Amino acid sequence: RKEVEQDPGPFNVPEGATVAFNCTYSNSASQSFFWYRQDCRKEPKLLMSVYSSGNEDGRFTAQLNRASQYISLLIRDSKLSDSATYLCVVNMASNYQLIWGAGTKLIIKP
Amino acid sequence: DAGITQSPRHKVTETGTPVTLRCHQTENHRYMYWYRQDPGHGLRLIHYSYGVKDTDKGEVSDGYSVSRSKTEDFLLTLESATSSQTSVYFCAARQGVEQPQHFGDGTRLSIL
Repeated sequence: RKEVEQDPGPFNVPEGATVAFNCTYSNSASQSFFWYRQDCRKEPKLLMSVYSSGNEDGRFTAQLNRASQYISLLIRDSKLSDSATYLCVVNMASNYQLIWGAGTKLIIKP
Repeated sequence: DAGITQSPRHKVTETGTPVTLRCHQTENHRYMYWYRQDPGHGLRLIHYSYGVKDTDKGEVSDGYSVSRSKTEDFLLTLESATSSQTSVYFCAARQGVEQPQHFGDGTRLSIL
């Protein structure tokens, strides 16, 4: 079992729709969590950190469920510019490393 | 702008030649990382550094070495490049172990 698992997609979603991704992790000692987006042939860019109480940034909402060991990302009112690959990241502070999911590809269609 | 620059941005070289990629950061980040990204594999950690002269191996370190002689520079060396090392290489850095990473623009390396 991979340490961090994501549905690779692609998710094909009409513009204006709401879409949600989940990401599961296997190590219960994981300490912090992030979502990144990556555009084709570009570097990953931080989208948002994920806090235990859940957090929102504009159209984006992130949730953490430690009991079930998953994090989620919700995108409301999706835009064409949201088309990208979304990477889930789990932080293992004890060994300085981050564990990356392989990403979920999102395609927003007009 | 996270102040992380990678050089070169693109390189084509031949099998068996040595290659050095440079990552330079201006934010005084303590932790620096080298990843490679290939289709179907996502980001894979090659080596990382937790301070000047302090480095450790990641999951795909065979065939690679690193050096960090000062805070701002982290070098990745392929001692004798092979075609399997054709990839996109990303450097990342962060201030503390609870912080997210920030990335450079990447280096596209082709080994012929």
